[in-house]
Amino acid sequence: SQTIHQWPATLVQPVGSPLSLECTVEGTSNPNLYWYRQAAGRGLQLLFYSVGIGQISSEVPQNLSASRPQDRQFILSSKKLLLSDSGFYLCASRDRQTEKLFFGSGTQLSVL
Amino acid sequence: GDSVTQMEGPVTLSEEAFLTINCTYTATGYPSLFWYVQYPGEGLQLLLKATKADDKGSNKGFEATYRKETTSFHLEKGSVQVSDSAVYFCALMDGNNRLAFGKGNQVVVIP
Repeated sequence: SQTIHQWPATLVQPVGSPLSLECTVEGTSNPNLYWYRQAAGRGLQLLFYSVGIGQISSEVPQNLSASRPQDRQFILSSKKLLLSDSGFYLCASRDRQTEKLFFGSGTQLSVL
Repeated sequence: GDSVTQMEGPVTLSEEAFLTINCTYTATGYPSLFWYVQYPGEGLQLLLKATKADDKGSNKGFEATYRKETTSFHLEKGSVQVSDSAVYFCALMDGNNRLAFGKGNQVVVIP
C-alpha cells in the first residue's frame, strides 16, 4: 500500500510571497501524480498531473507551477501568491499496476 | 479536455429510499469512469469503476453502468442507509492518465 506524505498541513502566506508544497510517495514506483485544489461547491479541480520525471501537464493557466524532480516527488510552487490561491490542496498518486488512487492529507493554504 | 458533470445540489433522502446521482461525461476517446466517496472527516476512496462501454461497476450495494450512447455513468443504490451519508464524486481518466473529477454531490440520509 502506498503512503503519501504531504506538507505542511496548514500554511498562512502573505500576498506576493512564494509557495512550495511538497508531496512524496512511498510504496510504489513510477506512479502517476496529481495536484488538486478542493473548494466547497467546486469539488476537486485538477491543477497538474505527471506521468514521469520531468513530465508535467498543466490544466489551468495561472501563477502556479509544478515540478517532478524525482520519481516519487511532486512539488507545487508559485513565485507570487494571489488571494485567489487560497484553498485546500491535495496531492494524489495512482499506482499503474493496481490502479489504486491514494491521496495525501492535504494542505490548507490561506493567502492574506 | 475531457470532463464529467454531476447534477447540481445536495441530495437528501430517507433511509431505505432509492438513490440516483447523475453523471455525464464529455470525452474525445474512451475514458475509464469512476465513482469516489468521501465520508465525513475522511479522504476520498474508490467506490467503483468501469473501463469500457456497457461495463457495470458495483460495490457496497452501489452500481453504475458505463453508457456510451448517453455518455453517462449514473450511480444508483436501491436502499440507502444513514452510513451512506457522504460526498460522492464522479471521475474520468483518459488515455493520457489525466484524472478529472466532478464537483461532487453531498448525500444526506435521514433516519
